[in-house]
Amino acid sequence: RKEVEQDPGPFNVPEGATVAFNCTYSNSASQSFFWYRQDCRKEPKLLMSVYSSGNEDGRFTAQLNRASQYISLLIRDSKLSDSATYLCVVNAPPAGGFKTIFGAGTRLFVKA
Amino acid sequence: DAGVTQSPTHLIKTRGQQVTLRCSPISGHKSVSWYQQVLGQGPQFIFQYYEKEERGRGNFPDRFSARQFPNYSSELNVNALLLGDSALYLCASSLAEGVHGYTFGSGTRLTVV
Repeated sequence: RKEVEQDPGPFNVPEGATVAFNCTYSNSASQSFFWYRQDCRKEPKLLMSVYSSGNEDGRFTAQLNRASQYISLLIRDSKLSDSATYLCVVNAPPAGGFKTIFGAGTRLFVKA
Repeated sequence: DAGVTQSPTHLIKTRGQQVTLRCSPISGHKSVSWYQQVLGQGPQFIFQYYEKEERGRGNFPDRFSARQFPNYSSELNVNALLLGDSALYLCASSLAEGVHGYTFGSGTRLTVV
């Protein structure tokens, strides 16, 4: 089992649609969680941190379920500019040696 | 403020050679981490440094090594290059071991021929 698993893509959605990405992680002691966005041939950029209480940033909502070891990202009212690869990221605890694990990414295409 | 800077941006090496990649973190960031990304995959964790100490290591062979300098810049060294080492190498910096996420540099694209 991979340490971080994401929905296989790609997702093809029309403008204005709502799209949800899911991610699961295997290390129950993981401490911090993030969603990154990566455009083609560019570096990843931090989209948002993920907290158990849930957090929202405009059209983006992230949620963490520690009991199920599950992370989600919801994008509402999709824009053409949202087309990118979305990466789920998990930080493992220092006690076991610090590791930052990326999922393989889910590609999103938003079409007019 | 300058972001994370990496050099060189592109590099071509032959099998068996050695390569050194360089990274300067954002001013004030004490943590630097290195990743390897091949096409179609997410970045793979190689090393994490904080305050000049290695804090984590990914599943990479001993041919990969790194260090962090007193000014918090970092180098990644890869010895005895293999064709499979061809990838984008990304450096990221953060204030405190990634608790608040990382800022990435634009990477060094290494091609081994």
